Amino acid sequence: GAVVSQHPSWVICKSGTSVKIECRSLDFQATTMFWYRQFPKQSLMLMATSNEGSKATYEQGVEKDKFLINHASLTLSTLTVTSAHPEDSSFYICSAHDRPNEKLFFGSGTQLSVL
Amino acid sequence: TQLLEQSPQFLSIQEGENLTVYCNSSSVFSSLQWYRQEPGEGPVLLVTVVTGGEVKKLKRLTFQFGDARKDSSLHITAAQPGDTGLYLCAGPPFSGTYKYIFGTGTRLKVLA
Repeated sequence: GAVVSQHPSWVICKSGTSVKIECRSLDFQATTMFWYRQFPKQSLMLMATSNEGSKATYEQGVEKDKFLINHASLTLSTLTVTSAHPEDSSFYICSAHDRPNEKLFFGSGTQLSVL
Repeated sequence: TQLLEQSPQFLSIQEGENLTVYCNSSSVFSSLQWYRQEPGEGPVLLVTVVTGGEVKKLKRLTFQFGDARKDSSLHITAAQPGDTGLYLCAGPPFSGTYKYIFGTGTRLKVLA
């Protein structure tokens, strides 16, 4: 079946630094990928939609300058958390839409801890 | 705002018991998906239901899509500790959109 690879699985960084998270669709092309944030014991909250070759669309309340998204190819989207602060610590998950099969597959998530 | 409400929010049961998780909305969905998520991992797709009234079985799990495509249920027979996890329903609120809405989640714990 389709697989989405997310890297890194976890990252610890100092406040003020930037962190890049990669999301790859391994055996299908994804013109659309999604980035979510998940707080402990809660459901997924959609942050933004990543569109290949165009600008990402952000959900209300999500700072586009804080969470930079780049979808440069049909198999790769990246999320960069800029000038990270402790309140950005969270579990970030990407998903990729397998359009022909109308299915949404998820990466394994990235646990970000900002000290 | 379209929402997917899941109930119950938490469920702790003994091994061997049966349970049902509900996913309800006031809006019509072209399809609904069910996922299970374990701590520190991404959600794993269990099933997709597309047709109103559709019933799908996956071993001890039975999924049903409501006739009006506004609700869905997940029934687990003879639950096992390996069924423990966060169960999420999700779906596109409109046909042709890929921006899925996620349910509020049901956290299941099966005790041995």
